[in-house]
Amino acid sequence: DAGVTQSPTHLIKTRGQQVTLRCSPKSGHDTVSWYQQALGQGPQFIFQYYEEEERQRGNFPDRFSGHQFPNYSSELNVNALLLGDSALYLCASSSRTALSYEQYFGPGTRLTVT
Amino acid sequence: EDQVTQSPEALRLQEGESSSLNCSYTVSGLRGLFWYRQDPGKGPEFLFTLYSAGEEKEKERLKATLTKKESFLHITAPKPEDSATYLCAVLAGGYNKLIFGAGTRLAVHP
Repeated sequence: DAGVTQSPTHLIKTRGQQVTLRCSPKSGHDTVSWYQQALGQGPQFIFQYYEEEERQRGNFPDRFSGHQFPNYSSELNVNALLLGDSALYLCASSSRTALSYEQYFGPGTRLTVT
Repeated sequence: EDQVTQSPEALRLQEGESSSLNCSYTVSGLRGLFWYRQDPGKGPEFLFTLYSAGEEKEKERLKATLTKKESFLHITAPKPEDSATYLCAVLAGGYNKLIFGAGTRLAVHP
């Protein structure tokens, strides 16, 4: 059973550019959440998608946007990159119909903005 | 505002030296408390979910407990391979977002 997968593993971008990160959820899961983790800190919630719509959003600017596809996979887009966007971006998947609320994380994408 | 605080920030143990990590929380309507293990540069690995005060869960050398204000992760006779950052997170209110603490960095030396 494949777990949560993310691509790419690492990415280096220049300030002002745009980036797209990808996530495939664990088999049987229909909900994808994105988190940003700065060095030495806990993950911060960006937003959550299910039924192909953004359902909840954390305190992140509109430069952060996303999409969910019919197969439940998801993309995170960040426009006009800033140096402060450098972080580990984590995708977590879960099931809305499960009795538990557990979220399972992928390996992350390390984004470096120079 | 919902908040999660973990202590200590870092902990150094000798192999076999048992200890506990603390996670205190202030939330409205706790729906679950989660413990994750994170190795450097990797995604968090799910360990436990606790739902109500008094609940306990165990896995190998780890045992998680929950009260109305805090959770403890007890590590019994740790080994060097237990070295990692341990993250605590809560799910609260009507939201499905996890609110994380900053983590405890554990180093176990032989």
